Amino acid sequence: AQKVTQAQTEISVVEKEDVTLDCVYETRDTTYYLFWYKQPPSGELVFLIRRNSFDEQNEISGRYSWNFQKSTSSFNFTITASQVVDSAVYFCALSRDTGFQKLVFGTGTRLLVSP
Amino acid sequence: DAMVIQNPRYQVTQFGKPVTLSCSQTLNHNVMYWYQQKSSQAPKLLFHYYDKDFNNEADTPDNFQSRRPNTSFCFLDIRSPGLGDAAMYLCATSRDRQWSTDTQYFGPGTRLTVL
Repeated sequence: AQKVTQAQTEISVVEKEDVTLDCVYETRDTTYYLFWYKQPPSGELVFLIRRNSFDEQNEISGRYSWNFQKSTSSFNFTITASQVVDSAVYFCALSRDTGFQKLVFGTGTRLLVSP
Repeated sequence: DAMVIQNPRYQVTQFGKPVTLSCSQTLNHNVMYWYQQKSSQAPKLLFHYYDKDFNNEADTPDNFQSRRPNTSFCFLDIRSPGLGDAAMYLCATSRDRQWSTDTQYFGPGTRLTVL
């Protein structure tokens, strides 16, 4: 069975602080995909990143960076110099690689960035 | 321009009164999904259409039905809403179902209240 755990229910930071959102996953598959989505107050989930299980390179996109470590089954997300607009719920998700398999979401981490 | 549109954004219905939620997309994607997201929970896939092929999740109650009359539109019908069906309903689309290349694009959701 596949499972995604986001142990941090809510994180509060002050603007310009760095913040890391944790994601730990469980799967018996050798190939799989990991995702991060952002859900702002407006409601729609916004795709942030996809990572193939064979690609352990860290990725940086502007103020966002992702650290994928298969050894610890983690796919953590760091926001550098957080801004108020980063306030949202962030979901980590997992999917198998073969055929159609639904996305298995974690329960999300609510990030509050205050001025 | 909005690519996945959901109407209405807020829907109030009475216990047991059938309700229909609407989703349309301008992306010409083959796949359309319906998710249920209860407060502070992860989105849960109810079903999806791959073109005209309907795919129901095993644990989706019979009370939930869907129609896809054409590529652009997909409807979620709740035949007899119960109090436990109050949730945000998210529609999403993807070009195909290959997670190596396809991304799900989400609409803003319809928040359903059952009185």
